[in-house]
Amino acid sequence: DAEITQSPRHKITETGRQVTLACHQTWNHNNMFWYRQDLGHGLRLIHYSYGVQDTNKGEVSDGYSVSRSNTEDLPLTLESAASSQTSVYFCASGPERGPSTDTQYFGPGTRLTVL
Amino acid sequence: EDQVTQSPEALRLQEGESSSLNCSYTVSGLRGLFWYRQDPGKGPEFLFTLYSAGEEKEKERLKATLTKKESFLHITAPKPEDSATYLCAVQASPGGSQGNLIFGKGTKLSVKP
Repeated sequence: DAEITQSPRHKITETGRQVTLACHQTWNHNNMFWYRQDLGHGLRLIHYSYGVQDTNKGEVSDGYSVSRSNTEDLPLTLESAASSQTSVYFCASGPERGPSTDTQYFGPGTRLTVL
Repeated sequence: EDQVTQSPEALRLQEGESSSLNCSYTVSGLRGLFWYRQDPGKGPEFLFTLYSAGEEKEKERLKATLTKKESFLHITAPKPEDSATYLCAVQASPGGSQGNLIFGKGTKLSVKP
């Protein structure tokens, strides 16, 4: 079955370290997204991509970067981790065209702790 | 500013006690309104998309409705397995082919047997 996976599921790192969170989908969706979820804030968009070589900044993009070299993967990199980036991170993907054009399907999440 | 507000923050029901969750929104132009269910430690699971006022969609014990200012998620005769956090999100237009979903903070539903 097609799916979307994230790795690692849990990560503890130290302030200042570079961290990369992986997201892989097998639906062949063009659109992929990264969100963070914090108590009191709900889900907030970090970065998104509409296809290979396309990346766009979301609401809370400072300190994060993404690259899209193929359809299946959109890794999220924290260049220099900060305690404020402790959060649960969700990757999502969605079809560019079709009956469910605007629907996004979410991965299981990565819990990141920055000490 | 585009905004989504969900109420109540938490709702406790007895099994079989029907109720409704509210999602009010302010956007410059509504492209779509989405309902998701999220279980603890898991990613949001898609439930419904509504596109225009008056539209209704149903799935098992859940029914979503949409007006020009708000959406309701009606839960009929809930069961304990309906316990979860329910998230509402809107997409404003223009907003590209996708992206820029604005989420509410969710309603945590607990159904006691």
